[in-house]
Amino acid sequence: AQRVTQPEKLLSVFKGAPVELKCNYSYSGSPELFWYVQYSRQRLQLLLRHISRESIKGFTADLNKGETSFHLKKPFAQEEDSAMYYCALRVAAGNKLTFGGGTRVLVKP
Amino acid sequence: GAGVSQSPSNKVTEKGKDVELRCDPISGHTALYWYRQRLGQGLEFLIYFQGNSAPDKSGLPSDRFSAERTGESVSTLTIQRTQQEDSAVYLCASSRGPPGTGELFFGEGSRLTVL
Repeated sequence: AQRVTQPEKLLSVFKGAPVELKCNYSYSGSPELFWYVQYSRQRLQLLLRHISRESIKGFTADLNKGETSFHLKKPFAQEEDSAMYYCALRVAAGNKLTFGGGTRVLVKP
Repeated sequence: GAGVSQSPSNKVTEKGKDVELRCDPISGHTALYWYRQRLGQGLEFLIYFQGNSAPDKSGLPSDRFSAERTGESVSTLTIQRTQQEDSAVYLCASSRGPPGTGELFFGEGSRLTVL
């Protein structure tokens, strides 16, 4: 069965510093990878998906099939980036999403 | 409404009682998910409905948990004989598909507290 691992439960960085959230997955095929974010008192929502190859709110993520990773990065963290971040995997279109355990990011002023 | 709606938003119950949690997905979304989020932990998959296909129940933790969905509309998650370890936020999400984009739209959750 597929699995998503986020090794860091908490990341604390200062404003303006780079931040990288790690995500590793186990699946032998070609999955689709996503990052979801939950800001304080808001609903969980999609941040970005690897297929789109987009940068959202300054965040980017590259799928590395060799390392089975999909780390989320931002070169200059902002206080409004403080949130809970979840990495998720889908093995085929129409299939369920499997989420990692989440990483809480705290950006200090 | 425009988003996924869940009710009740908060439920406090006594150990051993049954509870029902309701989810109204976004109109037209054929996929519906239930997840559980215990305090300080990640999202735990419970069950997945996709159109008229047989649901994926592989995440249900015990036979005390069950869920139904009528067509492509409302879903109800039922927990029988609740235990204290069932205390959590139960999240519902819906999405288009298949194939869909993989974007799930989440409700605000139902917080269950079992005393």
